[in-house]
Amino acid sequence: SQTIHQWPATLVQPVGSPLSLECTVEGTSNPNLYWYRQAAGRGLQLLFYSVGIGQISSEVPQNLSASRPQDRQFILSSKKLLLSDSGFYLCAWSVQLAGGEQYFGPGTRLTVT
Amino acid sequence: TQLLEQSPQFLSIQEGENLTVYCNSSSVFSSLQWYRQEPGEGPVLLVTVVTGGEVKKLKRLTFQFGDARKDSSLHITAAQPGDTGLYLCAGRETSGSRLTFGEGTQLTVNP
Repeated sequence: SQTIHQWPATLVQPVGSPLSLECTVEGTSNPNLYWYRQAAGRGLQLLFYSVGIGQISSEVPQNLSASRPQDRQFILSSKKLLLSDSGFYLCAWSVQLAGGEQYFGPGTRLTVT
Repeated sequence: TQLLEQSPQFLSIQEGENLTVYCNSSSVFSSLQWYRQEPGEGPVLLVTVVTGGEVKKLKRLTFQFGDARKDSSLHITAAQPGDTGLYLCAGRETSGSRLTFGEGTQLTVNP
C-alpha cells in the first residue's frame, strides 16, 4: 500500500530564517506531487505541483520554491521566511492519468515568529 | 481560474439531525471529490463522482454530482459526533491533474 510522509510535523522559525520541508511517498512510482498551504479551517491553496523529477509548476508567486530531486521526494523551501508564510503545509500525491484523487500527508504546522 | 463555492461555511447541529452541504461552480469539472479533514491532520478522500447526475452512498453519507457537472452536494443522515470535521469539495479540471478546492464547511455535531 502507498504511504506519504511529511516532516517535521511542527516547526517554529524566526522571520528571515531558511525553510526546508520534506515529503516522501512510498509504494508507488512516478506519482504527481503537490504542495498546498491551508489557513486555519479553510480551503487549500495549491503552491506547487510536479509531474516528474525536476519538473515543477508554480501556482502562486511567493517567497517559496519547490524541488523534486527524486521520483518520490518533494521539498518545499524558502531562503528567508516571512510572517505571512505561517500556516499548515500539506503534501499530496496522485496517480498520473487517473481520476484526480489526491492523497494527503499528515501536514506540517509552520509558525513564523 | 475555476472556483468552487461551498455552503454553509459553518454548521452546528445536534446528534441525529440531517444536513446537506453544497458545492457550486460556474465551471464544468471532469470529476469531483469530497474530503473530510480533522484538526491537525491531512484531508482524507471520501468519494469521487465522475458522471453527471451520479449518486454515491457511503453508509450515512450520500453524494450527488449535478447533471451539468458544475455542482455537488453531500447529505448526511442522522449525524453523529464522529462526523465532526472540515468537509472539502475539490473539482478536477477537464484537462490536467490539478484540483480546485472549495473553502470548506466546518461541521460540528453536538452530543
